Amino acid sequence: KAGVTQTPRYLIKTRGQQVTLSCSPISGHRSVSWYQQTPGQGLQFLFEYFSETQRNKGNFPGRFSGRQFSNSRSEMNVSTLELGDSALYLCASSRDRAGNEQFFGPGTRLTVL
Amino acid sequence: AQRVTQPEKLLSVFKGAPVELKCNYSYSGSPELFWYVQYSRQRLQLLLRHISRESIKGFTADLNKGETSFHLKKPFAQEEDSAMYYCALLDYNKFYFGSGTKLNVKP
Repeated sequence: KAGVTQTPRYLIKTRGQQVTLSCSPISGHRSVSWYQQTPGQGLQFLFEYFSETQRNKGNFPGRFSGRQFSNSRSEMNVSTLELGDSALYLCASSRDRAGNEQFFGPGTRLTVL
Repeated sequence: AQRVTQPEKLLSVFKGAPVELKCNYSYSGSPELFWYVQYSRQRLQLLLRHISRESIKGFTADLNKGETSFHLKKPFAQEEDSAMYYCALLDYNKFYFGSGTKLNVKP
């Protein structure tokens, strides 16, 4: 079966802009989690969605938001981009809870200039 | 606060040598712990989880609640084990990852 897909794979934005990233989970998976990966902070949890509801949220400012659609596809949005938002954004899907095996996407590399 | 610590950024061993990647955690309840691996140019993937008590690719990890550790071990390292390894703790549906250890297995 097809794996987790993320679009776009690469993105360059300037400070102050906003960006939307998309994640399509594996068919049948209802949980989608988002992570930010940077060399300095490593992998940090952003939020997790299940059945269109945000179940958990990490310690990120309100500029970071997300949503999940009825087909389990998820988007995350970052508004008023800052240089420090440059990172690899990973999404992962699992069947029902994150503790069951998570399958990761390839990530979206965001560069903020 | 939950925290996962991997004290070694880089671990280099020779092929056939034993390997142990260290992971310590702090958690106030009963932890659910995992090891994830990322091979070069591949996606992050689950290696093993403590509740399964299984051996994957020769790797095992035992949860030691007294020492709050979940070290990953393999008796005989192979070159194909070279990768980035992340220890992770699950708190409800929120994962906390360690900073990762790069394992380099030399021929």
